[in-house]
Amino acid sequence: DVKVTQSSRYLVKRTGEKVFLECVQDMDHENMFWYRQDPGLGLRLIYFSYDVKMKEKGDIPEGYSVSREKKERFSLILESASTNQTSMYLCASSFSGHGYTFGSGTRLTVV
Amino acid sequence: GQQVMQIPQYQHVQEGEDFTTYCNSSTTLSNIQWYKQRPGGHPVFLIQLVKSGEVKKQKRLTFQFGEAKKNSSLHITATQTTDVGTYFCAGPQGGSEKLVFGKGTKLTVNP
Repeated sequence: DVKVTQSSRYLVKRTGEKVFLECVQDMDHENMFWYRQDPGLGLRLIYFSYDVKMKEKGDIPEGYSVSREKKERFSLILESASTNQTSMYLCASSFSGHGYTFGSGTRLTVV
Repeated sequence: GQQVMQIPQYQHVQEGEDFTTYCNSSTTLSNIQWYKQRPGGHPVFLIQLVKSGEVKKQKRLTFQFGEAKKNSSLHITATQTTDVGTYFCAGPQGGSEKLVFGKGTKLTVNP
């Protein structure tokens, strides 16, 4: 089974902190994604990577950056966490033309 | 930008009743995907439809892709309590691997 592993299930951070969310997949998928999920707003794409060191902005990239130095790992960085970034963060990966496999999610609270 | 709309937002049924959720895209889609998210869980890929007018079945679930490739439906026959969750449709954004998700239909089943 394809596995997408997110490093933390729950995280509490202070406003202004730099936050790293890590995601690792074990099936050699070329595509990786970061979404956030909020009640009433659904799933919104933050960033997408289609290859090592390659990235594209999604619909809501402001306040976020990403890093993909190795094919299996895609990191989401909150440069200076704010309370409006409190959310469920979901990482996903896929082969081109196929469905996504999601990780279990990280529920981030910024206080 | 591209939009994917889903109705209804919520559906409550008695166990044994049928359930249908509908998905409409503002643009023609190359394919449509369906995901299920159990309460407290993460989205899990169910199926991908590619051809105009395509119908696929998975046990009690029937998925349909419209002739114009702009709409889709998911029908569950004789719901069970295990069907509880939120069902999302999603379509590729332009020609990319990025998916635009509908906001989902939350299904609850009364035993």
